[in-house]
Amino acid sequence: DTAVSQTPKYLVTQMGNDKSIKCEQNLGHDTMYWYKQDSKKFLKIMFSYNNKELIINETVPNRFSPKSPDKAHLNLHINSLELGDSAVYFCASSLAGSGRSYNEQFFGPGTRLTVL
Amino acid sequence: KNQVEQSPQSLIILEGKNCTLQCNYTVSPFSNLRWYKQDTGRGPVSLTIMTFSENTKSNGRYTATLDADTKQSSLHITASQLSDSASYICVVSGDTNAGKSTFGDGTTLTVKP
Repeated sequence: DTAVSQTPKYLVTQMGNDKSIKCEQNLGHDTMYWYKQDSKKFLKIMFSYNNKELIINETVPNRFSPKSPDKAHLNLHINSLELGDSAVYFCASSLAGSGRSYNEQFFGPGTRLTVL
Repeated sequence: KNQVEQSPQSLIILEGKNCTLQCNYTVSPFSNLRWYKQDTGRGPVSLTIMTFSENTKSNGRYTATLDADTKQSSLHITASQLSDSASYICVVSGDTNAGKSTFGDGTTLTVKP
C-alpha cells in the first residue's frame, strides 16, 4: 500500500525516558513533517525536512530531535520525556518543487504518546 | 500574524441534514486553502484544495467555497451521514510549501441518527 506509516501506534513510557517514533513514506515525496496534536485536538507543526535537510523548526524544546536518514524516512527522537509531551504525533509528507500551485500533504495514522 | 479561525467550534446535526462550516483567515500572501477531515484516532485526510483562482470545489457530498477578497471559506456537507462525524480542519498556506501553513483549530461535527 502506498502511504505514510508510523511506528509505534501507541507508546506509554515513564517520565525521563528517551523514546523514538519512526515514520516512513513510499509516495516518492521529498518533504516530510512532524506535527503534534494536543488534547484539545490542535495540530501544530514541529519540523519539516526537504531532501533530508531541515527547513522548518518551530519553537520546539531541543529534547526533540528529528533525524532523516533518507528522503523516505523521518524519525523523531525525544529525550528526557516530560508529562507535557503526552500527545498524538503525526508524520506527513508532500512533494515540493516549483511550478506547482499547491503541494498536498498526506498524513500518517499518528502515534499516541503517553508519559506517566 | 497569520491566523485561521473556524466556526463553530462544534456542531451537532441529525443524519440527512445539511450543514456549513466556516473558515476565516488572515494569512498573507495566499497560496492555497485546504479542508481536511480527521476521524477519531486517525490522521487528517484531504477533502479539497483551492488556489486563489478557484472559488468552489466539490468532493462528493462536500463542497468548499473560497472568497479570496473577504478571506473566507466554507465547507458545505450535503445529506449528512453518521460517518461524517469527525473534526474538520481548515489550513491556509502562504506559499506552495505545505509546511508553511497555518492550521485552524477545527470544527467537531457530530451526526446523530
